[in-house]
Amino acid sequence: DAEITQSPRHKITETGRQVTLACHQTWNHNNMFWYRQDLGHGLRLIHYSYGVQDTNKGEVSDGYSVSRSNTEDLPLTLESAASSQTSVYFCASSASGAHEQFFGPGTRLTVL
Amino acid sequence: SQQGEEDPQALSIQEGENATMNCSYKTSINNLQWYRQNSGRGLVHLILIRSNEREKHSGRLRVTLDTSKKSSSLLITASRAADTASYFCATDATGANSKLTFGKGITLSVRP
Repeated sequence: DAEITQSPRHKITETGRQVTLACHQTWNHNNMFWYRQDLGHGLRLIHYSYGVQDTNKGEVSDGYSVSRSNTEDLPLTLESAASSQTSVYFCASSASGAHEQFFGPGTRLTVL
Repeated sequence: SQQGEEDPQALSIQEGENATMNCSYKTSINNLQWYRQNSGRGLVHLILIRSNEREKHSGRLRVTLDTSKKSSSLLITASRAADTASYFCATDATGANSKLTFGKGITLSVRP
């Protein structure tokens, strides 16, 4: 069965370190999204991609970057982790022209 | 800023009762979607209603959409303890090209 996975599921890091969160989907979806979920804020869009070599900034993109070298993967990099980036991160994907998004299980990131 | 705003923020009901959750939004939309999130898990798509539809059913779920009032409601009939979760509305705004904007969510507790 097709699926979307994230790794690691939990990560503790220190302020200033570079961190990369992985997202891998086997749906063959063109669209991929990264969100962060914080209490009181719901889900907020960080970056998104509509296909290979395409990346776009979302609502809260400062301090984050993504790259799309193939259809299956959209890694999210925190260039220099800050305590304000402690959150739960979700990756999602959808087919081109479709609207339903499929979510991964999430990565809980703690920045000390 | 959040496009969708759910109401109430929390709802507690007895098993067998109906649960009604509301969502209001601000701009014109292509469609509105409802998602469920169980504790510690990713979001799962429940139902999508297009801007030219007024009501949609899926099993025990009934969704209505009033574009003149920019509001939607999700009704879960004959609730079960397994319905305990957070529920989010998400809007696909006109011109957003499949990007979704999520509300902050409603926490539903169904008491056995």
